[in-house]
This record gives sequence, structure tokens and C-alpha cells, in this order.
Amino acid sequence: QVQLVQSGAEVKKPGASVKVSCKASGYTFTSYYMHWVRQAPGQGLEWMGIINPSGGSTSYAQKFQGRVTMTRDTSTSTVYMELSSLRSEDTAVYYCARATKPMVRSHPDFDYWGQGTLVTVSS
Amino acid sequence: DIVMTQTPLSLSVTPGQPASISCKSSQSLLHSDGKTYLYWYLQKPGQPPQLLIYEVSNRFSGVPDRFSGSGSGTDFTLKISRVEAEDVGVYYCMQSIQLLTFGGGTKVEIK
Repeated sequence: QVQLVQSGAEVKKPGASVKVSCKASGYTFTSYYMHWVRQAPGQGLEWMGIINPSGGSTSYAQKFQGRVTMTRDTSTSTVYMELSSLRSEDTAVYYCARATKPMVRSHPDFDYWGQGTLVTVSS
Repeated sequence: DIVMTQTPLSLSVTPGQPASISCKSSQSLLHSDGKTYLYWYLQKPGQPPQLLIYEVSNRFSGVPDRFSGSGSGTDFTLKISRVEAEDVGVYYCMQSIQLLTFGGGTKVEIK
């Protein structure tokens, strides 16, 4: 069965960076684009960007350009999301989410989600 | 960016009664390929979102038939024909015709 298992909660100081992992299993890792979505406490959902696990190409929401880097390791079927220059407003649960349709980048929806990783930014 | 506006913000429903959630987009979600890229998710307490409806009206695998989606262009509706206790949570609409944005969410609780 498809599973996306994320790394554990993190506490970071303002200005630091955080790297969250998402390990995929139960399907062909390189066949499905992966997205990152975050959710601030008590708030809605915000799309951050997409990575192609096959070639590694990425596209980021404008809001996060210059601060976010998404990478992947095909040997371990893991995608990573690194966010730098953290500020208190980055406190949120970060989710990886798999695109529903294989090999399709555009107009995504998400059928499987990781359990979420809480990142707390506090001095 | 396309803005997605959901109403109401919250809904309290008696079990067995229907519920309806509206989602309006700031631009048409109808693509030149003929598809409308509007989706509905349910986020149960303490869980990630789960896909309910794709492309306006198609139920995702395993979603009960009491859930239905309708609409076109910029106006969309999610209906639950008979609310059950397990339906509590926050419902989000999402568009992916242009990048990707979510509505603000509608919290559904049981009376």
C-alpha cells in the first residue's frame, strides 16, 4: 500500500533552516510528482511547490522563491523540503502530497499525503 | 493568483440531515481542454486532508455516495445528502487550473 512517512517535529530559531523528509513506499517513486503543502496552526492549506522525483526538476510558489529547496533521493525514495531564513510565520505543519495521476505535472490533485511534520520557529 | 472563497465558515448539522458548502473562484476554472480543475478535500481532526471529489463532480475511490459535487465556471457546491458523525472536520475546495490554491475551509460539526 502507498505510504508517505515524514520526519519528526522540529524546533528552530528564527533565521535557521529546516529540512523535512518524506519517504515514499508502495509505488514506483519516480512515476508520480510530489508536492509540499503547509498549514499554519488553525489556518488553511498553502501550496509550496512541486518536485519531479524522476528528473529532480522543481517549481516553487512565488511566495517561497529563494527560501525553499526541494530535492529527492531516488535510492531511498525520499523527497526533501528545505526552508531557510525561518521566521515565526513559518510555524506550521508541513505535508508532502502525491499527485494522483502518474507522470502528469499540470493540474494536480493529491491522493496520498504524509502524516505531516510540525515545524516550530521560536526564539 | 486565483482566490477561492468558501461559505459558510462553519456548519452545525444534525445527523441524517443534509449539508451544503459553497466555493467560488475569482476566475473560471474551466480549461481549454474541457476539464474543470476543482477539487474537494476533507481534513478530519488531527489528520492530513483526504480527497473526496475531483474535477467538480467525480467521487474519489472509496468515497461514500452521500457526497456529491456540482457547479461550473466559478461557482461550485459540495453536498452531503445525510451527514454522519464521521463526516466532521474541515472541508476545503482547491483549484489547480493556475498554480494551486485552496479555499479557506468550512468546519462541519455535529449537533
